[in-house]
Amino acid sequence: DAKTTQPNSMESNEEEPVHLPCNHSTISGTDYIHWYRQLPSQGPEYVIHGLTSNVNNRMASLAIAEDRKSSTLILHRATLRDAAVYYCILRYNFNKFYFGSGTKLNVKP
Amino acid sequence: DSGVTQTPKHLITATGQRVTLRCSPRSGDLSVYWYQQSLDQGLQFLIQYYNGEERAKGNILERFSAQQFPDLHSELNLSSLELGDSALYFCASATRGDTDTQYFGPGTRLTVL
Repeated sequence: DAKTTQPNSMESNEEEPVHLPCNHSTISGTDYIHWYRQLPSQGPEYVIHGLTSNVNNRMASLAIAEDRKSSTLILHRATLRDAAVYYCILRYNFNKFYFGSGTKLNVKP
Repeated sequence: DSGVTQTPKHLITATGQRVTLRCSPRSGDLSVYWYQQSLDQGLQFLIQYYNGEERAKGNILERFSAQQFPDLHSELNLSSLELGDSALYFCASATRGDTDTQYFGPGTRLTVL
């Protein structure tokens, strides 16, 4: 079964990079890796997604291990507004989604 | 504002009752997803519809059902409610529904007493 594991919480200083890890050892070849974040009292918000290659967008970068069993979401310069729960998600069986338990990111000023 | 609307925002009901949650996707989006977020189970994918047809099914209970109408809005029906059904229910929409970005609504908080 599709599954992701993430640390419960992480802390970062403002203006510093943050690396949020995710393990997905049961990933299969057609499973996509998605990251969403959820700010307090809001619905989740898309961050980034990828299949095999590393991906960059204006919000973050996604580094995917060569064996695809793990990935890392990289926020290049954390701001106070980045404090949220970050979910690592597998899109499997074409269109089903497994949400991990999420990492609560605390950003210190 | 994601452009996805959900009604009602809050719903309080009793065990054994039936409720309907409504979702209006972003203009132009054909795909609707439903999720349940509870304290003990986290976020769980329930079901996806694409252009009126069921496309994918997740951990949706038999007491729950959904549909997507010709105008693309969707409804999630929850029946024979139990205390454990208390949760936040999110709807998300996407343009196509494969690797598209999903845009989440603000959620409906259901409390079953």
